[in-house]
Amino acid sequence: LAKTTQPISMDSYEGQEVNITCSHNNIATNDYITWYQQFPSQGPRFIIQGYKTKVTNEVASLFIPADRKSSTLSLPRVSLSDTAVYYCLVGDVSGAGSYQLTFGKGTKLSVIP
Amino acid sequence: EAQVTQNPRYLITVTGKKLTVTCSQNMNHEYMSWYRQDPGLGLRQIYYSMNVEVTDKGDVPEGYKVSRKEKRNFPLILESPSPNQTSLYFCASSKSYGGPDQETQYFGPGTRLLVL
Repeated sequence: LAKTTQPISMDSYEGQEVNITCSHNNIATNDYITWYQQFPSQGPRFIIQGYKTKVTNEVASLFIPADRKSSTLSLPRVSLSDTAVYYCLVGDVSGAGSYQLTFGKGTKLSVIP
Repeated sequence: EAQVTQNPRYLITVTGKKLTVTCSQNMNHEYMSWYRQDPGLGLRQIYYSMNVEVTDKGDVPEGYKVSRKEKRNFPLILESPSPNQTSLYFCASSKSYGGPDQETQYFGPGTRLLVL
């Protein structure tokens, strides 16, 4: 199973770059890495997805080393509105062909003025 | 507007009284799933469906039922709710199952359930 491990919480000041790392030692060859953002009492929202190296969109960047056993979500110049829980998700395709998805417990990011 | 809708958004009920939480998506997505979220435990998958008439258990299926008779709808049924099912529930959908499409999910707004 491709279980993920993330820091429970992080604090950052406004305007700083924030990097959140996720470990997924048992990631399978075909698995992608996906990150979500969740505000209190709202459903998670897709941020970014990647397979290897680096992916960038208007919201964030995702860095994946060659061994793919970890990934780092990078948020440039955070603002107070980036205060949320961030989840790293790795696909979990069992040998029986199930397509269960497993979220970790997420990282609670608090942005300080 | 592409969206996942859930109803009701808030529900208070009593132990043993059957209830259904509806979920509907308008994106013609194949894959749908239900999660519950509890403090300190994160998101846990209850059931998922890869397509019409195809469902399977997630991490915490006990006490829940689902059905997928139509592509757009995926109701969650609690036949005999108990207090330990008090939680925040999310429905989600994705374009297809397997690979990056499955992991790009659209979530509904959530249903907050209290079982007394």
